[in-house]
Formats: sequence, C-alpha cells, structure tokens
Amino acid sequence: GAGVSQSPRYKVAKRGQDVALRCDPISGHVSLFWYQQALGQGPEFLTYFQNEAQLDKSGLPSDRFFAERPEGSVSTLKIQRTQQEDSAVYLCASSSPGLAGRSSDTQYFGPGTRLTVL
Amino acid sequence: GQQVMQIPQYQHVQEGEDFTTYCNSSTTLSNIQWYKQRPGGHPVFLIQLVKSGEVKKQKRLTFQFGEAKKNSSLHITATQTTDVGTYFCASNYGQNFVFGPGTRLSVLP
Repeated sequence: GAGVSQSPRYKVAKRGQDVALRCDPISGHVSLFWYQQALGQGPEFLTYFQNEAQLDKSGLPSDRFFAERPEGSVSTLKIQRTQQEDSAVYLCASSSPGLAGRSSDTQYFGPGTRLTVL
Repeated sequence: GQQVMQIPQYQHVQEGEDFTTYCNSSTTLSNIQWYKQRPGGHPVFLIQLVKSGEVKKQKRLTFQFGEAKKNSSLHITATQTTDVGTYFCASNYGQNFVFGPGTRLSVLP
C-alpha cells in the first residue's frame, strides 16, 4: 500500500465499552509500533512487534490493553472496559529495520484513531 | 523510565527569523531521530543521526548530534509559515521508543 492506514479514524465509546483499533502497516514492513498521544503531548510508546512476535509491551498502561499481530501484518489494539483517561489519539507506525532485531529505523506513521470515551 | 527532554516547549517567531529546539537525555543515546507533526496530522520522519558530533542539513534545517550522544538540536534558518508544527526528537531504548514532549513552533507572517 501507499502508506500506513488505520481504522476507524474516529471512535466514540461509552465508558465500559470494549474497542478495537486496526492498523495496516506498509507491505513488507517487519516492525510495527503502537503509540498513545494525548492532546498537546508527544507520542507515548505502547508496544512493539517484529513480525508476529510482540517483543515489548512495557508501555501498555494496564491489563485492559491488548495488542496482537497474528500473521505479522495487520495489527489490532484492543481496549477493554474503556475509561475516560483512555481518550487519546492512537498512532500506529511501521518500519523495516536494517539490522535484525533493531527498532531504530525510520518509522512511518498512520493517521491515527482518535478515541473519545464519554 | 527513560526520558528525553526538549526545550523550549513553545516558540513563536516572526517569518524569516531563525528557530532552534534542543533535545536532551540523561543517558547516552544510540541514535536520535527527528519528526515533524503538523496541527491535526501525524508525525513525519525528518532525519536520523547516529554518529557522535554528526551534523546533517536538509535545505534550511540543520540537525546536530552532540559529542557525548546525549543531546541534539534542530535549527531552522529563515523560518517560513510552512514550518509551523511540533518538532519531536525520539530515540530507542532497547525495543522501546521514546519521544520527547516536542517543541511547538508558530510562525507569524
């Protein structure tokens, strides 16, 4: 594809609802990142995949957050029992690291999903 | 956790003036990346610096990586209204990737 795509672009959820956010990375990109960006802040790392393996999930704020990438391409970020503090833009980025196992190459970001929890 | 700090938080300049944002880390960085995010948009990669003391230029933008690889700067010469946005530095700590809080640049025509 031309770039990273995310869906939906906007999501409004009632407190307590579950949501699923989808990311389609650039075809062939090995690495995939999820970030949470609150208004006026920088992106906060949530989790990192290399192919289908979730190598780092240290940024997930609670066990209500779960991410998967079962076939090493499309990824889904799921938030269970949403809370108001989950309201943010959720960004997905993909990259193709030059060296095996490294996550430091250029990241291409998707447009993000703006989640509003009422 | 690991932190990357940026100053200033905001900068308002008159079109044609220069602009600099600074990025600092308490630990040695393996690399530093710079991103630009326009209002309402998503971060867009600008450049990556890897070597100690490295300087790279992109037209009116000059990027520098400190000798100790703990700080970096982005300098824009003769700003234009198209430079408006938030500039983030970022670096990886293991598999984790940390962004600074960003410097928001406003350019008055």
